[in-house]
Amino acid sequence: AQTVTQSQPEMSVQEAETVTLSCTYDTSESDYYLFWYKQPPSRQMILVIRQEAYKQQNATENRFSVNFQKAAKSFSLKISDSQLGDAAMYFCAYKGAQKLVFGQGTRLTINP
Amino acid sequence: EPEVTQTPSHQVTQMGQEVILRCVPISNHLYFYWYRQILGQKVEFLVSFYNNEISEKSEIFDDQFSVERPDGSNFTLKIRSTKLEDSAMYFCASTRQGRTGEGYTFGSGTRLTVV
Repeated sequence: AQTVTQSQPEMSVQEAETVTLSCTYDTSESDYYLFWYKQPPSRQMILVIRQEAYKQQNATENRFSVNFQKAAKSFSLKISDSQLGDAAMYFCAYKGAQKLVFGQGTRLTINP
Repeated sequence: EPEVTQTPSHQVTQMGQEVILRCVPISNHLYFYWYRQILGQKVEFLVSFYNNEISEKSEIFDDQFSVERPDGSNFTLKIRSTKLEDSAMYFCASTRQGRTGEGYTFGSGTRLTVV
């Protein structure tokens, strides 16, 4: 079974600085997708960014980018120019042939 | 932008009672899912549903749980006899295709409190 591991339960960053959230996963599939979801205090799950495993180019969405290392099965999220509204739980997720599987989450705090 | 709608947003029920959580997936989506999140913990898969039948379920989804698509728009999760440990956020999600990189669209969740 696929597993997703987020080794940082909590992270904090100064406003306007850059922070990187780590994620590793385990799979024997060759075709899959990776995602980062944001869960603010409202607890809604919001898709931040996605990456197709067959693409070598790292995905970017405005201030959010990923570092996808397929051989190492690593998928980190970089948030540049952190803003107060970025404070949330961030979940890494894996989707192969079956269901979407989530990591444990990282709580990100933004210090003003 | 199309949304997945969940009702109610918060439900309080007594232990042993039946609850039905409702979801309206995005209209052209064909695959539907329920996840739950116990406070402070990870988001866990419960069940997936396609073509009017369960396509996959987790160990959590025991005989106390059932899902149904009673009409062309609603997708419901029923818990027959709630336990204290069923207290959690329940998220509905949908996708247009099964094997997809589009990501799941989640509803805003139902907070279930069992007392």
